[in-house]
Amino acid sequence: DVKVTQSSRYLVKRTGEKVFLECVQDMDHENMFWYRQDPGLGLRLIYFSYDVKMKEKGDIPEGYSVSREKKERFSLILESASTNQTSMYLCASRPAGSTDTQYFGPGTRLTVL
Amino acid sequence: KQEVTQIPAALSVPEGENLVLNCSFTDSAIYNLQWFRQDPGKGLTSLLLIQSSQREQTSGRLNASLDKSSGRSTLYIAASQPGDSATYLCAVPKMGGNTPLVFGKGTRLSVIA
Repeated sequence: DVKVTQSSRYLVKRTGEKVFLECVQDMDHENMFWYRQDPGLGLRLIYFSYDVKMKEKGDIPEGYSVSREKKERFSLILESASTNQTSMYLCASRPAGSTDTQYFGPGTRLTVL
Repeated sequence: KQEVTQIPAALSVPEGENLVLNCSFTDSAIYNLQWFRQDPGKGLTSLLLIQSSQREQTSGRLNASLDKSSGRSTLYIAASQPGDSATYLCAVPKMGGNTPLVFGKGTRLSVIA
């Protein structure tokens, strides 16, 4: 069965901390994505990656960075967490090409105090 | 720039009713369209994927149609059940086939027993 896992379901951090959100997929997918989801704003793309060591900025990359050292793992990094980064973070993966569905992880609810 | 709109934002129906959720997109040159379901506090689950060459897809009580020329898709749910209560989102690729998805903000459905 297809699976995307995220390292934590709930996370509480303090302002200024460096935060790592990990995402792992077991489907050998080339594409991986990080979104944040906020009430009234919907899903917004932060960063995505088409392959190992490759990364592209999404619509709201400010305050975030990513790392993809292995094909199955895509990490989202908050260099210095701020309260406006309190959100639900969703990771997704998809095969290369245009004909396949996208698979999502269960999400990480991050609270920055 | 591709934009996706879903109307209504929320819908409440009695159990057993047939219902239609609407999705519209601004750029009709899409490769495919996907419908997702999201339960509260959870990730997204893919329901149906319609390729640009298709007019509809069916899965159980769900039927999704696609009219590229008018920039519209509908998700039809037959004989609704309380377990169908969730938020339903549609999404299309941003530009070409292998590009990130652009999501609508979703329709929150409540099926009342």
